[in-house]
Amino acid sequence: AQKVTQAQTEISVVEKEDVTLDCVYETRDTTYYLFWYKQPPSGELVFLIRRNSFDEQNEISGRYSWNFQKSTSSFNFTITASQVVDSAVYFCALSFYGQNFVFGPGTRLSVLP
Amino acid sequence: DVKVTQSSRYLVKRTGEKVFLECVQDMDHENMFWYRQDPGLGLRLIYFSYDVKMKEKGDIPEGYSVSREKKERFSLILESASTNQTSMYLCASSLVTGEVEQYFGPGTRLTVT
Repeated sequence: AQKVTQAQTEISVVEKEDVTLDCVYETRDTTYYLFWYKQPPSGELVFLIRRNSFDEQNEISGRYSWNFQKSTSSFNFTITASQVVDSAVYFCALSFYGQNFVFGPGTRLSVLP
Repeated sequence: DVKVTQSSRYLVKRTGEKVFLECVQDMDHENMFWYRQDPGLGLRLIYFSYDVKMKEKGDIPEGYSVSREKKERFSLILESASTNQTSMYLCASSLVTGEVEQYFGPGTRLTVT
């Protein structure tokens, strides 16, 4: 069965702290795709990153970084020096060729000033 | 930039009313999706369409129908709205199914009284 787990329901940090959002997925397929989305209070899901199962290289984009580890079936997301504007719900998703997305339940991040 | 628009941000309807939620995308995407988002349940797929006049049931199609007469437009229909359909409805589109990101609209928060 395909499944995405985001064990952290809610996280609260103080501005400038680093924070890591966990994502663990389950699949027996060897080819799959992983995504992260951000949903700010306005409601629209914003695409952040896509990773395919053959590319385990970590990615950094400004204050955001992603750590993909096939050995532990994890695709974790770290925000460095968090800011209030990072407050949102973050979703991890899993998909496969020709199939629909499987979304995790989301993690609500609150960054306090 | 891909743009997905939804006809209303907020909608209040009465039980038994027929409700239309409209979604339009401007990037010539083949695939379009309707999700509902509820606290603690994440995003659940209602229906999707991979071509004009084609539709497929998602995980929770009961009480809903859809229409796709033109490539850019995908409508979600609640034939007889009920209070348990009070939710946030999100439309999305993608170029192909599975291996690429979906782009989301701003969402419609529907309240059925």
